[in-house]
Amino acid sequence: EAGVTQSPTHLIKTRGQQATLRCSPISGHTSVYWYQQALGLGLQFLLWYDEGEERNRGNFPPRFSGRQFPNYSSELNVNALELEDSALYLCASSLRQGQGSYEQYFGPGTRLTVT
Amino acid sequence: DQQVKQNSPSLSVQEGRISILNCDYTNSMFDYFLWYKKYPAEGPTFLISISSIKDKNEDGRFTVFLNKSAKHLSLHIVPSQPGDSAVYFCAASAVYNQGGKLIFGQGTELSVKP
Repeated sequence: EAGVTQSPTHLIKTRGQQATLRCSPISGHTSVYWYQQALGLGLQFLLWYDEGEERNRGNFPPRFSGRQFPNYSSELNVNALELEDSALYLCASSLRQGQGSYEQYFGPGTRLTVT
Repeated sequence: DQQVKQNSPSLSVQEGRISILNCDYTNSMFDYFLWYKKYPAEGPTFLISISSIKDKNEDGRFTVFLNKSAKHLSLHIVPSQPGDSAVYFCAASAVYNQGGKLIFGQGTELSVKP
């Protein structure tokens, strides 16, 4: 069974540009989560999507946004990039809440570098 | 406000011995706890989880213990193997309050020496 996939693996952007990161969940999973791991920091929750809707949002500015498509894949968009946005962005997926399992399975991540 | 804390940044253990990784939390709304293993530049790998209605969960060499009164959980790895060397994160979720949002600790780097 294929795991969570993310693209691209690496992304280099300059300050002020926009970045788009993509994620495909495990087959059968409807929830997608985005986390940021900046250098020296732990994993910080960014966004949670389920059934195409944003369900929860972490303490990040509005220039971090995303969406979930009908096939449950997801995009994370970061507008007006700042140097401190350089980080490993991780996507995770899980079964729908209430199906008895709350484990999240992570993809390999996208390394975003802002210069 | 660090709601999930792993106070030991690193731990070194001899191969074959027990590794004990600790995690403390402050939010009494947390009702589901997970442990992940992570290598540099890779995504975390799920290891084991426990619901707040239990105090122990076991899966092969991995056992997680939960002490709700102390707001403390631990991961035991027995026996430890060199391949277990990685950073271990504990994570917590308030499933009925905040759904799927995971709050992670800062991680403990485990080194298992042959």
